[in-house]
Amino acid sequence: GESVGLHLPTLSVQEGDNSIINCAYSNSASDYFIWYKQESGKGPQFIIDIRSNMDKRQGQRVTVLLNKTVKHLSLQIAATQPGDSAVYFCAEIVGSSNTGKLIFGQGTTLQVKP
Amino acid sequence: DTAVSQTPKYLVTQMGNDKSIKCEQNLGHDTMYWYKQDSKKFLKIMFSYNNKELIINETVPNRFSPKSPDKAHLNLHINSLELGDSAVYFCASSSGTGTTQPQHFGDGTRLSIL
Repeated sequence: GESVGLHLPTLSVQEGDNSIINCAYSNSASDYFIWYKQESGKGPQFIIDIRSNMDKRQGQRVTVLLNKTVKHLSLQIAATQPGDSAVYFCAEIVGSSNTGKLIFGQGTTLQVKP
Repeated sequence: DTAVSQTPKYLVTQMGNDKSIKCEQNLGHDTMYWYKQDSKKFLKIMFSYNNKELIINETVPNRFSPKSPDKAHLNLHINSLELGDSAVYFCASSSGTGTTQPQHFGDGTRLSIL
């Protein structure tokens, strides 16, 4: 079936430390993955994406790693700041090009301690 | 400038009523979506439209009827509201069919059924 799971519902880190949020997916045919950040009262906000022909992609302070062998995705946030506190979702595209749909994981709440 | 905007932001109504939620995007995207987020923050797709045509219709009660008057708008009408319809509803849009480009979300409509 379709499912995307995250290993931890809550992650608490000290300001300035690096954060790593993990995600496991089940569909080995998926070729596009996205990380979203959702702040309280807001909609999911795109952070970074990665296609299955890559194993690493870097953005500003964020890095996404994809391990297709074990169907694992992670989001690394460098020098975590209070503004990074939010719920983080991984998502995968399942299905063919015209009917493909975005399947979200359960979300990890990142808490940044000052 | 708001890219994906939904109205209203909050909707409180009685069981059995009919209500509509409106969504507009000014990104020039071809595809629009409706998602439902439950109290546990789980996000699930309901519908998607590409250039005003219904593409994805998940297992959603037929009390929910999306309407796309043009490709910049996707409204959601809900008949005979039930307690279980209480949730946050998110509209999103993407270029193409959304399987190779990220989806951009509005800030949600919080629907509460009394």
